Amino acid sequence: NAGVTQTPKFQVLKTGQSMTLQCAQDMNHNSMYWYRQDPGMGLRLIYYSASEGTTDKGEVPNGYNVSRLNKREFSLRLESAAPSQTSVYFCASSALGRVGTGELFFGEGSRLTVL
Amino acid sequence: ELKVEQNPLFLSMQEGKNYTIYCNYSTTSDRLYWYRQDPGKSLESLFVLLSNGAVKQEGRLMASLDTKARLSTLHITAAVHDLSATYFCAVDTQKPGTYKYIFGTGTRLKVLA
Repeated sequence: NAGVTQTPKFQVLKTGQSMTLQCAQDMNHNSMYWYRQDPGMGLRLIYYSASEGTTDKGEVPNGYNVSRLNKREFSLRLESAAPSQTSVYFCASSALGRVGTGELFFGEGSRLTVL
Repeated sequence: ELKVEQNPLFLSMQEGKNYTIYCNYSTTSDRLYWYRQDPGKSLESLFVLLSNGAVKQEGRLMASLDTKARLSTLHITAAVHDLSATYFCAVDTQKPGTYKYIFGTGTRLKVLA
């Protein structure tokens, strides 16, 4: 019962470096999401993919790109990391629309520090 | 734009007391979700409320949804220390093909022994 798996769990980058956060789900969900969590800010949606082959911007997309590689995998890329991107990143997935309850299932999170 | 507000942001309460956390949202939606997060951990689903008037209960927690008032409540009965955590509500936009979930800022609950 893996659910939603994120890698890496921890990463330290220098300003200007690039990296990709990987996310995979094994629940056959159509929709996948990337959130960031900062103290006192709750969870803010970065990008989401309502179905395989589509991606859309969320509340805070600047500085990020995403790829929905297939139905299982949704990656988040930081092309040129900035200290403001220091955060905890969560990947989540859900069944699309009225299928099931629409409940979101979360990965364990990836803690990213940009120096 | 969909906005979700929770209050209070911080709540410190004695064991055995009752309290309510409120979640207001700005646009029409008939589905609302409550999550719990322990420090350093991920989010765990507590309740899924799928229609107006929905009420769900699990142990000392009870959640309800009033879609006309755009309000959900999470009621805590006879709090115990194990309930200390941050609680989030979330609403989905319910636009076919573009479902996205917007979260409130969370309520940090501390239950004092």
